[in-house]
Amino acid sequence: EAGVAQSPRYKIIEKRQSVAFWCNPISGHATLYWYQQILGQGPKLLIQFQNNGVVDDSQLPKDRFSAERLKGVDSTLKIQPAKLEDSAVYLCASSLGEDRAGVTEAFFGQGTRLTVV
Amino acid sequence: DQQVKQNSPSLSVQEGRISILNCDYTNSMFDYFLWYKKYPAEGPTFLISISSIKDKNEDGRFTVFLNKSAKHLSLHIVPSQPGDSAVYFCAASLYSGNTPLVFGKGTRLSVIA
Repeated sequence: EAGVAQSPRYKIIEKRQSVAFWCNPISGHATLYWYQQILGQGPKLLIQFQNNGVVDDSQLPKDRFSAERLKGVDSTLKIQPAKLEDSAVYLCASSLGEDRAGVTEAFFGQGTRLTVV
Repeated sequence: DQQVKQNSPSLSVQEGRISILNCDYTNSMFDYFLWYKKYPAEGPTFLISISSIKDKNEDGRFTVFLNKSAKHLSLHIVPSQPGDSAVYFCAASLYSGNTPLVFGKGTRLSVIA
């Protein structure tokens, strides 16, 4: 089974530039998450999609960050304009999204490491 | 306000001995707890989980213990192997299904041969 695919793996941009990240979740996974992991911290949720609808974007800095999940499959996360403090690893994760007893694990991609200079 | 806390940034253990990683949480509504393992330049991978209705779950060398009254869980690795060297994240969610995970800051485990 193919895992969560993310691209690019690395990106270096100057502050005030824009950047976009792409994610392809595991086939059949209805729920998709974008997390931000700053160095030395745990992943922090930015946005959660259920199919192509937004479930939770309360921690997304909406003045500069946007995300979409067209057709309920792939997703893109955009930052415009970028700030120095946006330097982090951006992780995409997916899960089945069904309410079931037991494990609620999400499967993560390798992440995109963004450096803003 | 950190809802999931891993107070030990790092831990070193001899190969063959037990590794114990600790995690505390503040939100009593959390129902599911998971441990993820992360190698450098890779995404976190799921390791083991436990529901709040249990106090122990085992999977091979890995055992997770949950103490709800103390809002504390721990991951035991026995015996520890050099390949276990990684950053371990504790995570919690409100209930089963597709609620997002809340992560701790992680503990870097080094298993010394």
